[in-house]
Amino acid sequence: ETGVTQSPTHLIKTRGQQVTLRCSSQSGHNTVSWYQQALGQGPQFIFQYYREEENGRGNFPPRFSGLQFPNYSSELNVNALELDDSALYLCASSLEAGNSPLHFGNGTRLTVT
Amino acid sequence: ILNVEQSPQSLHVQEGDSTNFTCSFPSSNFYALHWYRWETAKSPEALFVMTLNGDEKKKGRISATLNTKEGYSYLYIKGSQPEDSATYLCASSGGSYIPTFGRGTSLIVHP
Repeated sequence: ETGVTQSPTHLIKTRGQQVTLRCSSQSGHNTVSWYQQALGQGPQFIFQYYREEENGRGNFPPRFSGLQFPNYSSELNVNALELDDSALYLCASSLEAGNSPLHFGNGTRLTVT
Repeated sequence: ILNVEQSPQSLHVQEGDSTNFTCSFPSSNFYALHWYRWETAKSPEALFVMTLNGDEKKKGRISATLNTKEGYSYLYIKGSQPEDSATYLCASSGGSYIPTFGRGTSLIVHP
């Protein structure tokens, strides 16, 4: 069974730039959730995709957008980067039921300067 | 947006001690409660998902209980070992079925 993989592992961007983070879900999982973890905080929910449709969104501005592909892999795009976007971005895949455990990748560490 | 609280924020114990931490969540419109262990340089790993009031789950030396009526869950570790050092996260999902996380409890077990 292939686990959740995220790329890149870390990157540095300048304020105002755009970034795309990628996630491959675990085989058999059709739901992908993205979380942002800033220093000292718990993971904050960004959005969830189920079978290529957005299935829920947290309190993040529209410059955070995403996609899910037919193979259930996913992208998180962030436009007009701000310094506060510096964080660890976690992707998690799961089965569709809300009581299924989340399977996390190792995360992408984004630094905005 | 659900308000999930965890306490304590951090905990230092000696090897062999038993310990427990708390997760508080809104009791209304409850769906599921998750516990995860997050070791340094690794990804969070699911420990338990509980849905029913009174649920108790066990995995080796780690166990958890759930009280959905009063909105809390306890995680217990019996005979802590240095390899238990990690951040323990809980997450509650309500009507949206999407887990909302607390800030976690950082556990350090000293040899």
